[in-house]
Amino acid sequence: GENVEQHPSTLSVQEGDSAVIKCTYSDSASNYFPWYKQELGKRPQLIIDIRSNVGEKKDQRIAVTLNKTAKHFSLHITETQPEDSAVYFCAASKNTGFQKLVFGTGTRLLVSP
Amino acid sequence: DAGITQSPRYKITETGRQVTLMCHQTWSHSYMFWYRQDLGHGLRLIYYSAAADITDKGEVPDGYVVSRSKTENFPLTLESATRSQTSVYFCASSEPRGPPRETQYFGPGTRLLVL
Repeated sequence: GENVEQHPSTLSVQEGDSAVIKCTYSDSASNYFPWYKQELGKRPQLIIDIRSNVGEKKDQRIAVTLNKTAKHFSLHITETQPEDSAVYFCAASKNTGFQKLVFGTGTRLLVSP
Repeated sequence: DAGITQSPRYKITETGRQVTLMCHQTWSHSYMFWYRQDLGHGLRLIYYSAAADITDKGEVPDGYVVSRSKTENFPLTLESATRSQTSVYFCASSEPRGPPRETQYFGPGTRLLVL
């Protein structure tokens, strides 16, 4: 089955810096890659997603890139702010009629003022 | 987000007891999921359901039972709780007829402690 690896497990940056979180997946049939943000004590919430027919997607300060050949995708956050501090999870799934997500183990991002 | 709720939010139980965690969604989403979240493991799928009376095992189903008699409810039962089932449990739902087709919406979670 699908396996998703996520790095780094923790990431500390200064406010205003950029942050990059990387994930690799094993199943070449996977075609949907969402990113979820989970603030402390809260539920995971979708922040951005990308499908395999697209190489990059942006939404204000966040962007996701996908390299299907290498089977990896990355989350980029620019001009980080303290409110970006959270745990970020990547996930992958394939369209077999049922979207069963396989999650990475998470990255704890700490943005220091 | 208020459309998917979980109860109880916190639960302390003892080894060997039966525990049921409730999940209710008001969106009439077809798909529902149960995950457990543990440090170092991220979110792991326990069971999922494509519709009422249709359920299937996920990655870590042992020790858990689910049912789905109504579209809006998806209870998770720990038949005989063990300490290894201490975790935070999240319910989620999605609507494949979308859009957005694949987005899963999570409930607030239930923190379970098994003594």
